Formats: sequence, structure tokens, C-alpha cells
Amino acid sequence: RKEVEQDPGPFNVPEGATVAFNCTYSNSASQSFFWYRQDCRKEPKLLMSVYSSGNEDGRFTAQLNRASQYISLLIRDSKLSDSATYLCVVNPADSWGKLQFGAGTQVVVTP
Amino acid sequence: EADIYQTPRYLVIGTGKKITLECSQTMGHDKMYWYQQDPGMELHLIHYSYGVNSTEKGDLSSESTVSRIRTEHFPLTLESARPSHTSQYLCASSEYGTKNTGELFFGEGSRLTVL
Repeated sequence: RKEVEQDPGPFNVPEGATVAFNCTYSNSASQSFFWYRQDCRKEPKLLMSVYSSGNEDGRFTAQLNRASQYISLLIRDSKLSDSATYLCVVNPADSWGKLQFGAGTQVVVTP
Repeated sequence: EADIYQTPRYLVIGTGKKITLECSQTMGHDKMYWYQQDPGMELHLIHYSYGVNSTEKGDLSSESTVSRIRTEHFPLTLESARPSHTSQYLCASSEYGTKNTGELFFGEGSRLTVL
């Protein structure tokens, strides 16, 4: 079983719609959680950190559920430019040396 | 924009050749990493470094080696390339200690094809 699992998608989303997807992690001692965005054939870039209380950054909302060991990302009012692969990233311990990456969820926003 | 650079961006070579993938960052970050990523797959950590003269192997076994003689430079070397080494190699850096926000800054990647 993988340490970090994501639905690969693709999630085909009409422009302006809302899309949400989850990521599950296996290590209950995981400390920190992040969503990264990776465009096709580009490098990953940090989208947002995920805080215990949940957090919002513009149209993006991240939630953490420690009891069920998953994090979620919700995108409201989807734009064409939101089309990308969203990587779930987990720090299993406070070492910062071995972040664990999910394989990503692909989102395709259509006109 | 992140100031981390990788060369070459694309490399096609024959089996048995020695290659070095270069990675440099100008942010003064202590921590640097090499990840390997195949299409549609997750990133796998193959090497990391906490600072000068510090190198550690990551979770994915790799025949490559790294060195960290200067803070800004973290090259990856394959002594004898094989077709199984064909992949994208991503270099990244981050702050260390209390300045660390958890953000990794990635280079644009080196796409290696071994024939």
C-alpha cells in the first residue's frame, strides 16, 4: 500500500464549477501536509499548506481530517488556468528530509 | 520565482556513458534534494543533503551519487547510464530549521533518456 494515495482522475470540470478531491495517508504520526500544483511537464510548486483547522486561500480550501487520515482540496469557481495535477504531500515526521508525495489528481477545466 | 537551476534540461545518451546532472540554487538554502519522477507517477526521493559535506540516500534506491561541496551546488552523477535510468530528475531546495515553512523550491527538471 502506498504511503499517500490519491484518485488520479482526471476530474473534468466545467469552468465556474466547484471540484473537490481527497488524499489519504497511512502514517498516523504525520506532522505536516501540503498541496502542490504541477503543470504538464513542469516542476511542482507549492499551492498551500494544510492546517489542522482548515484554511482558505482565495478560491482554494484545504481541510485536514486526522481521525480518518485524509486531507482534501476544494476549488471554487474553477478557471481554465486551474487545469493541472494536484499533488498531496505529507511530512511523516518533523525531519523535512523525507516528504512523501502522492501521484497526483489531474483536474481538467473545460470551457 | 525560485532561483534554482538545472542543466541540462534534456539529455539523450547511449548506454554506458557517464553523466552529471547539475543543480544550483542562489537562495542560500541549506537543504537540497533530488527526486525522480516517471510520467503519471509520484516523486521519489533519491538523495538529499542538509548542508555542505552532508549527503543521504532517499527512499528509492538509486545507482546515482551526489556531492555537496558548496552550499549552492548539488550535482548528481551516474557512472554508467542504462535504459532503466530514463526518467525525469527534479532538484529542489528548502530552508532548514525554524525558517523552514515546508516549501520545496524545484528546478525545471532534467529529462534523461538512455538508449
